[in-house]
Amino acid sequence: GESVGLHLPTLSVQEGDNSIINCAYSNSASDYFIWYKQESGKGPQFIIDIRSNMDKRQGQRVTVLLNKTVKHLSLQIAATQPGDSAVYFCAEGVPGAGSYQLTFGKGTKLSVIP
Amino acid sequence: DGGITQSPKYLFRKEGQNVTLSCEQNLNHDAMYWYRQDPGQGLRLIYYSQIVNDFQKGDIAEGYSVSREKKESFPLTVTSAQKNPTAFYLCASKARRNTEAFFGQGTRLTVV
Repeated sequence: GESVGLHLPTLSVQEGDNSIINCAYSNSASDYFIWYKQESGKGPQFIIDIRSNMDKRQGQRVTVLLNKTVKHLSLQIAATQPGDSAVYFCAEGVPGAGSYQLTFGKGTKLSVIP
Repeated sequence: DGGITQSPKYLFRKEGQNVTLSCEQNLNHDAMYWYRQDPGQGLRLIYYSQIVNDFQKGDIAEGYSVSREKKESFPLTVTSAQKNPTAFYLCASKARRNTEAFFGQGTRLTVV
């Protein structure tokens, strides 16, 4: 999984299996979290977000789980497909006066084995 | 179509030269950002702007400069003072707090 301070980790998954990508965020005051997908040579694309008053949110084939007690975020991808191969980043929104900042994690590279 | 556009996609610079990367958005977003990404690494914040005519340094602002004269535009200049400028540069914009940032497709800068 992904954690601040580590070089880019890699997750290899068989096509059709479920994938779980983890993220340990740093700021206990963060109140908004996003998962992004970045394909090679492209900009990151939004996947799903979750606010701190929730612990689970589901999208199409994706689920984000938030555990504020241990400052942990995970992205679950159901029935992983070759097109899911990419680098996945979590980002946390840090509150503050007029703050619009997002702090990004290091990313996890997901490789789908056909 | 609404979106955020970076140009050029590829840019080559000789050592000692300044170069400016373009970022334009028509999403009417207040906030704009510049990130640097090195191979196999995450995103590091260079500069950000939350309103026209105002911008703030990020984590790695040294050797870079920006301007925000219009809401739609946030150009980044990589100066000769940036010792290791070869990287992938990403621009993003955001409407307000607790919303996602939208990214451009990036500019790959190579120093030759």
